[in-house]
Amino acid sequence: DSGVTQTPKHLITATGQRVTLRCSPRSGDLSVYWYQQSLDQGLQFLIQYYNGEERAKGNILERFSAQQFPDLHSELNLSSLELGDSALYFCASSVGGSVDEQYFGPGTRLTVT
Amino acid sequence: GQQLNQSPQSMFIQEGEDVSMNCTSSSIFNTWLWYKQDPGEGPVLLIALYKAGELTSNGRLTAQFGITRKDSFLNISASIPSDVGIYFCAGSKTSYDKVIFGPGTSLSVIP
Repeated sequence: DSGVTQTPKHLITATGQRVTLRCSPRSGDLSVYWYQQSLDQGLQFLIQYYNGEERAKGNILERFSAQQFPDLHSELNLSSLELGDSALYFCASSVGGSVDEQYFGPGTRLTVT
Repeated sequence: GQQLNQSPQSMFIQEGEDVSMNCTSSSIFNTWLWYKQDPGEGPVLLIALYKAGELTSNGRLTAQFGITRKDSFLNISASIPSDVGIYFCAGSKTSYDKVIFGPGTSLSVIP
């Protein structure tokens, strides 16, 4: 158990819908990262927040958005869902933002039908 | 964009054998990371490398940061069944930059 929690574990929804994935970082961690893992694209960095502020952006689609709240939990919002958005979405957290401190959560499996 | 390649894509080995896998990049990275992912779980960091030529061990695992800074290698000695999983290399320009992941090497250990 990494100490990072993600909910829900599984999510099945239809094309065109909007979903919200939630992540609670390890106690004391200020930085949260979101990753997408799919069969064709592999594991891809989406976005990073540090203490409520966006710090880095990767291959995140405009239909996707994220935020980190004052209690440091984070949400990833996916809208206008397409079949290709079906993937595992991981959240990771770290104390200060160093890449060698990242602890990954168990992931949310999103299936778009 | 930046891309990492890993080889082999998959391996089937006998328990007790040593394993070698590598990762190459078209770009220079200043930090190399190796992760293992078990089914249904998130990746777990195994080894982090920070300097060209660096050799670092973690139990039966040894990783090296290539001298060109465009590659890295992971060796597992005396494999055991719990080594089964997918091994990812990852690179980063700095310790605080975004991480680029390779496609992974799937390892199967035959008892």
